[in-house]
Amino acid sequence: AQSVAQPEDQVNVAEGNPLTVKCTYSVSGNPYLFWYVQYPNRGLQFLLKYITGDNLVKGSYGFEAEFNKSQTSFHLKKPSALVSDSALYFCAVSNSNSGYALNFGKGTSLLVTP
Amino acid sequence: EAQVTQNPRYLITVTGKKLTVTCSQNMNHEYMSWYRQDPGLGLRQIYYSMNVEVTDKGDVPEGYKVSRKEKRNFPLILESPSPNQTSLYFCASMEGWDGAYEQYFGPGTRLTVT
Repeated sequence: AQSVAQPEDQVNVAEGNPLTVKCTYSVSGNPYLFWYVQYPNRGLQFLLKYITGDNLVKGSYGFEAEFNKSQTSFHLKKPSALVSDSALYFCAVSNSNSGYALNFGKGTSLLVTP
Repeated sequence: EAQVTQNPRYLITVTGKKLTVTCSQNMNHEYMSWYRQDPGLGLRQIYYSMNVEVTDKGDVPEGYKVSRKEKRNFPLILESPSPNQTSLYFCASMEGWDGAYEQYFGPGTRLTVT
């Protein structure tokens, strides 16, 4: 069975500071890893994904994530946070064996203060 | 514009009164899915469909039904809603059913069952 853990319910960051939202995963085989963002009263939006290749993945809105196979992690990062980045962030995992099954973490609420 | 639409966006109903939440996508995607989002639990998959007339249970299918008679539509049916089905529901679609694709989400339907 595959699963994702987001160890922090909330992350608070001051505007302009770097941010990190943590994600670890458990899967058999090679993982496909995703980050989605949910703004208030909106559906989830795709940010970025890791399928294969470079461990550092760049996505929308200046976000990036680093795949670390040895630590089974896929942390989301941004060099300089904006107040508008405040939202709920979900990490998700699937793999080449599960195909359609996508398992989400519980979500991390990011609050960026001015 | 590529999108997934859901209707209604908000629904308050009473226990036992059958309801249907519609979902439609205009991207000709093969794969569609329904999730429910509950605080502290993240997103959990209810049902998914890999193509017309092909559906299967997700992690929490009890109390729900789906059908896929057309490629673009994937309605969620609650034949006898109960209060524990009060939740935020999301429909999603994906280009294929290989897990490497990202999912496109609808805006959500907030359901309250009294």
